[in-house]
Amino acid sequence: QKEVEQDPGPLSVPEGAIVSLNCTYSNSAFQYFMWYRQYSRKGPELLMYTYSSGNKEDGRFTAQVDKSSKYISLFIRDSQPSDSATYLCAMSKGGGNKLTFGTGTQLKVEL
Amino acid sequence: EAGVAQSPRYKIIEKRQSVAFWCNPISGHATLYWYQQILGQGPKLLIQFQNNGVVDDSQLPKDRFSAERLKGVDSTLKIQPAKLEDSAVYLCASSFESGPVYGYTFGSGTRLTVV
Repeated sequence: QKEVEQDPGPLSVPEGAIVSLNCTYSNSAFQYFMWYRQYSRKGPELLMYTYSSGNKEDGRFTAQVDKSSKYISLFIRDSQPSDSATYLCAMSKGGGNKLTFGTGTQLKVEL
Repeated sequence: EAGVAQSPRYKIIEKRQSVAFWCNPISGHATLYWYQQILGQGPKLLIQFQNNGVVDDSQLPKDRFSAERLKGVDSTLKIQPAKLEDSAVYLCASSFESGPVYGYTFGSGTRLTVV
């Protein structure tokens, strides 16, 4: 069993839809949770990070962490074609520790 | 602010050949990472440098992979000899402080194909 599981998709939604992306994990030692966006043939870029459980909002993006269920989510409101990318969840056991990534979910937002 | 520079962008080699990748991090970033991203998978850390020193190389296949960071700035990653399963994108990232919560900046990667 992988430490971090993520549905690879692809996920196709119409413009303006609310998108929900999810990851589950098995290691309760993870404390820091991140979402990265990766456009084709580019490196990942950090979208959001949260520490421990709770919600965090940044514009159209909301990240949620439920440590009791070992489940994290990223919500995208009013999705745009420019949001079409692969979304990677990542997590770390501590501030100085390495990141463990999910496999990524490929999202396509259609006009 | 200039980003993380990597070269070459693409490389095709035959198995058992050697190959080297180069990374120039963002100026002032003390921490440098090399990740391997196989198609359809998330990036996997190969090695982490803090200035000149190695912090974590536990997932680096040391029988064929090597990396160095000269004078705490540029870094090279070498594979010798290459295997088919080394086909992947090799991503370099840097951060001001050690640890992912400070926000890595990734380069665009080197896409390696081993035939």
